[in-house]
Amino acid sequence: AQSVAQPEDQVNVAEGNPLTVKCTYSVSGNPYLFWYVQYPNRGLQFLLKYITGDNLVKGSYGFEAEFNKSQTSFHLKKPSALVSDSALYFCAVRETETGRRALTFGSGTRLQVQP
Amino acid sequence: KAGVTQTPRYLIKTRGQQVTLSCSPISGHRSVSWYQQTPGQGLQFLFEYFSETQRNKGNFPGRFSGRQFSNSRSEMNVSTLELGDSALYLCASSLEGAGGTGELFFGEGSRLTVL
Repeated sequence: AQSVAQPEDQVNVAEGNPLTVKCTYSVSGNPYLFWYVQYPNRGLQFLLKYITGDNLVKGSYGFEAEFNKSQTSFHLKKPSALVSDSALYFCAVRETETGRRALTFGSGTRLQVQP
Repeated sequence: KAGVTQTPRYLIKTRGQQVTLSCSPISGHRSVSWYQQTPGQGLQFLFEYFSETQRNKGNFPGRFSGRQFSNSRSEMNVSTLELGDSALYLCASSLEGAGGTGELFFGEGSRLTVL
């Protein structure tokens, strides 16, 4: 069964500093990987995805993520954090070798950017 | 292009009642998925519909059901409500077929409180 781990419940970073939100996954075969962001009392917003190709994926709002197959990781990064980036971030995985199309989400990481 | 629309946004029910939530997907999207989000369990997959057929189902009791109409709009129903059903219910649509790689586009959610 597919699974996603986000080992940090919360990440604190100062505005202007780089940020990393960690994600590791377990899935049969090649994965589709996604990052979503959720603001209070809102739905999830799609940030970026890895399907195939270049291991460094660029997404919305200056975020990027690096796919590492050997470490089964898909960490979210941003070179310079903004206070407005403070939100809840979810990593998700989808299998590609079975008919199961549902995304499995991690438990979420709360990002707090201090001014 | 309009996003995913969920109604109602907020509702309060009492134990034993039933509730129906509605979701209108992005135009052209034929896949609709439902997720339950709670502080304790995180995001859990309920079911997915495509062309009026349930394609995938999560591990929820039979009190949770859904359907999809010919215009791709979807409803989910929860019968005999329990306190533990209090949650944010998220609907998401996706583009399937040759152009789809599985990213979900979420609505704002329906927040259900069971008293």
